[in-house]
Amino acid sequence: QVHLQQWGAGLLKPSETLSLSCAVSGGFLNGNYWSWIRQTPGKALEWIGECNHAGSAYYNPSLKSRVTISVDTSKSQFSLQLSSLTAADSAVYYCARGLGAFFDWGHGTLVIVSS
Amino acid sequence: DIQMTQSPSSLSASVGDRVTITCRASQDISNSLAWYQQKPGKAPKLLLYTASTLESGVPPRFSGSGSGTDFTLTISSLQPEDFATYYCQQYYSTPPRTFGQGTKVE
Repeated sequence: QVHLQQWGAGLLKPSETLSLSCAVSGGFLNGNYWSWIRQTPGKALEWIGECNHAGSAYYNPSLKSRVTISVDTSKSQFSLQLSSLTAADSAVYYCARGLGAFFDWGHGTLVIVSS
Repeated sequence: DIQMTQSPSSLSASVGDRVTITCRASQDISNSLAWYQQKPGKAPKLLLYTASTLESGVPPRFSGSGSGTDFTLTISSLQPEDFATYYCQQYYSTPPRTFGQGTKVE
């Protein structure tokens, strides 16, 4: 069973950059795709993007200009950066494993963007 | 983007009831569909993928069917632990992967 442990700052100001990380245990980064997904207060789920162990990344076109997802195989972790934050980026952010369906999820990080 | 529309948005049911939730895709997604269950304060949990394949450890009272644009999640006999919100998600077309808006079973 793959376990995902995520962390990062939860209170940010408009225009700042969100940085979250997710550590993978019980499995290998190789051969998997690693995603970030967020859930807004209205409960809608939005896929942000994904990457594989080789660093190939795919992003939601609606966020592509502001998103970077990267992987650090030496630390068995992957990361999300989302720049130019606004209040609309306030959400619970999840890391997840899967190519297609998402088989394993982190516990979620509540991110609030407020001045 | 492929839009996923679930119905109903919420439903009221009792323990032992048969519950059916539908999910419609805005275009053909073959069988590239997953269903998730989410309880308050928790991450979504995968129930089924490829429309009808039960994830390991998920009780067999959960089943899925459909292909193309129309899909169904069925709970054959609702249990107390099944009161939750359910989401469908397509992965035929990426980016982006997209989710339905959710169905709350209460």
